Amino acid sequence: GAGVSQSPSNKVTEKGKDVELRCDPISGHTALYWYRQSLGQGLEFLIYFQGNSAPDKSGLPSDRFSAERTGGSVSTLTIQRTQQEDSAVYLCASSAQALAGGPGEQYFGPGTRLTVT
Amino acid sequence: AQSVTQLGSHVSVSEGALVLLRCNYSSSVPPYLFWYVQYPNQGLQLLLKYTTGATLVKGINGFEAEFKKSETSFHLTKPSAHMSDAAEYFCAVSDTGGFKTIFGAGTRLFVKA
Repeated sequence: GAGVSQSPSNKVTEKGKDVELRCDPISGHTALYWYRQSLGQGLEFLIYFQGNSAPDKSGLPSDRFSAERTGGSVSTLTIQRTQQEDSAVYLCASSAQALAGGPGEQYFGPGTRLTVT
Repeated sequence: AQSVTQLGSHVSVSEGALVLLRCNYSSSVPPYLFWYVQYPNQGLQLLLKYTTGATLVKGINGFEAEFKKSETSFHLTKPSAHMSDAAEYFCAVSDTGGFKTIFGAGTRLFVKA
């Protein structure tokens, strides 16, 4: 079956512009996550959505970052007034709820490489 | 708050040698623990996970990890390294109450012929 897809694969934008990054999770997965991967800094948790529950936004670095998930499926991460420090690879993952509760295996998309010039 | 520390951003081993990648975590509640691998130019994929039960967890490609609560560790091992094991490895923790997952900074494994 289809995996997690993300678009665009690469995005170059000028400082101060807004960008939207899209994630299509695996069909039927209830949880969706966004991470940021900067060189040498591992994966930084940004936000996750689980079913109809309120999203956990505790990882969003500033109020310039926001995300939504429509219809329990597709998600969009929006960065307003981009800054150079926003340059990174943005990864999306989805998971089904594990039988024992908590997070199941996360399936990652290929990422969107964002470059802010 | 949860956190993960991976000791060593780079580890180099010879082909056939033992692989040991270290991970220590901090969690105020019983954790779920994961190791993910990112091969060059590929996405992250799950190697293994600990949720409950047996503390020695076996994963794909001959890797295993042992959950040691007293040491708050979840080190990843493989008895004999292959060239194909060269990749970046990430340890991650989430708590049993939710889905938020915190990843370590990663350890890049180099395998020498």
